Amino acid sequence: DAGITQSPRYKITETGRQVTLMCHQTWSHSYMFWYRQDLGHGLRLIYYSAAADITDKGEVPDGYVVSRSKTENFPLTLESATRSQTSVYFCASIKGLAGVYNEQFFGPGTRLTVL
Amino acid sequence: TQLLEQSPQFLSIQEGENLTVYCNSSSVFSSLQWYRQEPGEGPVLLVTVVTGGEVKKLKRLTFQFGDARKDSSLHITAAQTGDTGLYLCAGKQATGRRALTFGSGTRLQVQP
Repeated sequence: DAGITQSPRYKITETGRQVTLMCHQTWSHSYMFWYRQDLGHGLRLIYYSAAADITDKGEVPDGYVVSRSKTENFPLTLESATRSQTSVYFCASIKGLAGVYNEQFFGPGTRLTVL
Repeated sequence: TQLLEQSPQFLSIQEGENLTVYCNSSSVFSSLQWYRQEPGEGPVLLVTVVTGGEVKKLKRLTFQFGDARKDSSLHITAAQTGDTGLYLCAGKQATGRRALTFGSGTRLQVQP
């Protein structure tokens, strides 16, 4: 049972380039999320998706684009990478439609460096 | 401004000591969770508290949700080196969204 995977695990790119981070989950969870983690900020929500073809902005969506054509995949694209997008990116999903319990399962993260 | 403030940000203690980590907010949450994150990995859920005043124990870890559901604490008794990691609190506001709001985290180092 692979659970939730992210690729690549590490990426170095240059300012202005387009970068896509992949997220795949094997549980058929309805909800999926993208967070970025920076020192002193904890985890900040970029985008989330309630189901295939349904996405919504989170706290810090500027400069990012998401899509969800299939339930199991939720790619995050940086259309024109900037140095401020250097961060560790985490994908997460929710098992089932629990009310307040909302246990999120996280992927291992992608460390992105923008030069 | 962080919606959920955690303190302290960093904590370095000796094995066997006790410690408490705090998570505070001016907002009310329908539930609050504590996650632990190890280097190079994603956060893993430790506990969820739902009711104001609720106390949950997980071996040497004790979690408490404030009466007004605006704050929470994590107390570790007789810390072990295996407790080292980043502890994150996360709250779900009563908005119906599935997204959580995370605190900035407390980095704990337990020295042998």
